[in-house]
Formats: sequence, structure tokens, C-alpha cells
Amino acid sequence: EAGVTQFPSHSVIEKGQTVTLRCDPISGHDNLYWYRRVMGKEIKFLLHFVKESKQDESGMPNNRFLAERTGGTYSTLKVQPAELEDSGVYFCASSHLREEQFFGPGTRLTVL
Amino acid sequence: LAKTTQPISMDSYEGQEVNITCSHNNIATNDYITWYQQFPSQGPRFIIQGYKTKVTNEVASLFIPADRKSSTLSLPRVSLSDTAVYYCLPMFSGGYNKLIFGAGTRLAVHP
Repeated sequence: EAGVTQFPSHSVIEKGQTVTLRCDPISGHDNLYWYRRVMGKEIKFLLHFVKESKQDESGMPNNRFLAERTGGTYSTLKVQPAELEDSGVYFCASSHLREEQFFGPGTRLTVL
Repeated sequence: LAKTTQPISMDSYEGQEVNITCSHNNIATNDYITWYQQFPSQGPRFIIQGYKTKVTNEVASLFIPADRKSSTLSLPRVSLSDTAVYYCLPMFSGGYNKLIFGAGTRLAVHP
């Protein structure tokens, strides 16, 4: 069974540019989560989808971040415009019902 | 969700048993205790989960006393590949499982 995959693995962009991160959850997992770790800090929750609906987006830092999950399969997280403080590692996780979360390898975002 | 406290780091040697204790004094009645492991450049990985007493799987054991104010993750006979960060996370059983990560415990296993 394929695990959670994320694309790209690394992204380097300049301040003010736009970046879109993609997450493909494990097939059949209705729950999809985004987390991030910024430099020196702890992993923080961003938001949670159940199928295509946003169940909890309390962790989204501001309106420069937009997450979508059209069709309830893969999800994208767009940062527009990117700022220096957005640099970090963005993790995606998926789960079936209320079971353990399976994490992807993360996308390392560097904003210059 | 309950706030957790773990040692920042631990050192061990190959073949030893490692016990990592996490305190969660204000854990809620409906919270389970979940442990995740994270290797460098990877996402966290579920290890074990429990509510009370002892749970054992092929990777680790988890001990939770009756008052549930703490839990201990036990790794038998560690190897170099067990070097990782270990997170203790309370997880609400009655709803969706947003994970609240702390700093975790950085375990270094030496030859």
C-alpha cells in the first residue's frame, strides 16, 4: 500500500512569489491534515479536511494560505504571496476514520 | 488538550532498554495517550497508543498508571536505528484527532 506522498520535496522561492504544495493521502482515507514546522519551533497543526470539507482550519496562520481538496482526494496548500517567516517543513497526514495518522515525508519550503 | 512534559534529550547504548516518561497532569477523561517517532527528514510515525495500564506491540510497550497523569514508553534493546525524536501526544477519542506536538524527546543511541 502506498503511503502519503508530498510534492515537491523541496521548494525555494523568493519573497512575494506563490508556491503550491501537493499532498496525496493514502487511498480511502477521508481525513487529511496539514501541519508545519517553522525553524526552531514545534510541529503545528494547520487544518483538517474530511473528504472535501474543511473540518477545522483553526491553525491557518493568515489569509495568504489557501488549502483545497477538490473531489476529496489529493489536497493542495497554496501560499500567496510567500513571506520569509513561511519557511519551514510542511507535513501532510491522512487517516481512516479516527485512527492513527500517517504522515508524508514533508515539503521543505525556503523563502528567500 | 492536556499539556505534556518530556525530557528534551536522552542518550543510550545499543542493546539497552530505554524508558521515556511523559507527564500529562491534566489529561482529560476522554484522551488517549499516543506516541509518535520521527527520524530526520521524515514525517512522524505512529508507534503505540493506550488509555490505561499496559499496551505492547512489536515495537514498544506503553505503561500508563491508574491516575493517568504520566505514561512511559519503553523501547526494548535499542539499536542505532532507534535514534529519533519521540513525541507523547494526548489524543481526544471522541472527535477528530488534531495532533498537538510538543518538543519531544531526542533519543541518541550510541554504539
